[in-house]
Amino acid sequence: AQSVTQLGSHVSVSEGALVLLRCNYSSSVPPYLFWYVQYPNQGLQLLLKYTSAATLVKGINGFEAEFKKSETSFHLTKPSAHMSDAAEYFCAVSEGGSEKLVFGKGTKLTVNP
Amino acid sequence: GAGVSQTPSNKVTEKGKYVELRCDPISGHTALYWYRQSLGQGPEFLIYFQGTGAADDSGLPNDRFFAVRPEGSVSTLKIQRTERGDSAVYLCASRKAVQETQYFGPGTRLLVL
Repeated sequence: AQSVTQLGSHVSVSEGALVLLRCNYSSSVPPYLFWYVQYPNQGLQLLLKYTSAATLVKGINGFEAEFKKSETSFHLTKPSAHMSDAAEYFCAVSEGGSEKLVFGKGTKLTVNP
Repeated sequence: GAGVSQTPSNKVTEKGKYVELRCDPISGHTALYWYRQSLGQGPEFLIYFQGTGAADDSGLPNDRFFAVRPEGSVSTLKIQRTERGDSAVYLCASRKAVQETQYFGPGTRLLVL
């Protein structure tokens, strides 16, 4: 079975600083990988997804992630944090014919002024 | 266009009672998923429908949980003899076709007293 590990349940950055949220996966087959964002009292919104095309994936709101097979990683980055980026971020891998998503435990991002 | 909608947004019930949670997927989306998100955790897969049939129900925790999608659109998640451990946010997602993005609803927050 696939699994996802997100390192750091809480990350705090200053406004304008680099955002780096870590995700490692285990998969026996080439994975489809996703980052979702969850704002308070809202549903999950897709930030970006990797589906075996380009290894550097650009998403919405200036986020991007790089698929590194050798490291089994799919870390999320943004060069300059904005206050509106404060939210919880989930990394996920798609599993099986149903394409059900297996999520990590999430990383809560705080952006300080 | 309209997104995935879920009703009710909040549900408080007493231990032992029966509850129904409703999901209205995006029009034309053939696949529908239910996930459960406990406090401090990522969403966990419950069940997947392709059309009217439950193609994968491997995530249902026990036989108190059941879901239907009789006309291939709206789905209802049913929980019998609720327990305090069932308290969580229940998320619904739909997707249009294979390898397409799953779009999530805002969730139903269930509290079992």
